[in-house]
Amino acid sequence: GQNIDQPTEMTATEGAIVQINCTYQTSGFNGLFWYQQHAGEAPTFLSYNVLDGLEEKGRFSSFLSRSKGYSYLLLKELQMKDSASYLCAVRAPMEYGNKLVFGAGTILRVKS
Amino acid sequence: EAQVTQNPRYLITVTGKKLTVTCSQNMNHEYMSWYRQDPGLGLRQIYYSMNVEVTDKGDVPEGYKVSRKEKRNFPLILESPSPNQTSLYFCASSFGQGRRSGAGEEKLFFGSGTQLSVL
Repeated sequence: GQNIDQPTEMTATEGAIVQINCTYQTSGFNGLFWYQQHAGEAPTFLSYNVLDGLEEKGRFSSFLSRSKGYSYLLLKELQMKDSASYLCAVRAPMEYGNKLVFGAGTILRVKS
Repeated sequence: EAQVTQNPRYLITVTGKKLTVTCSQNMNHEYMSWYRQDPGLGLRQIYYSMNVEVTDKGDVPEGYKVSRKEKRNFPLILESPSPNQTSLYFCASSFGQGRRSGAGEEKLFFGSGTQLSVL
């Protein structure tokens, strides 16, 4: 099966850098996604990692270590609008139905 | 505008009264899926469809039905709703899943959600 762990809540200051961690224990691995979800809204895609290393996209970066079952999302130059829930999701390989399993999400609060 | 349209946005019903939540996408996506989101549990997959006339159970399919007669539509049916089905529901779609072609095809586009309350 798939088990995904993320911190429940984090607080950071506007302009700072924050790292949101995600650890997973899975029967197989075929990619990891990060989604952003503002309160009362639908999740939106942020990043995708399938190979080890860092993927950078503007103020957001995502890192993956498959051997450690670990990923993080790095948010730089935090803005108030970054206050949201951040969802880590892991895809199982085809022999496990290609299922995408989501973690419970990390609520990030950005304070001024 | 490319989008996933989900209706209704809010629904209050009573136990046992059949209901349907509609989902439609205009992006010619092959893959569609239904999730429910409950506090502390994250998004859990109910059913998914890899293409027309192909549907499969997710992690929490009990009490739900789906159909995929056309590529664009993927309705969620609750034949006899119960209070434990009170939740926030999301429909999602993508070009494909599990093709190892990267996030371009696999990233999910979500509908705006349906908050369902079963009394």
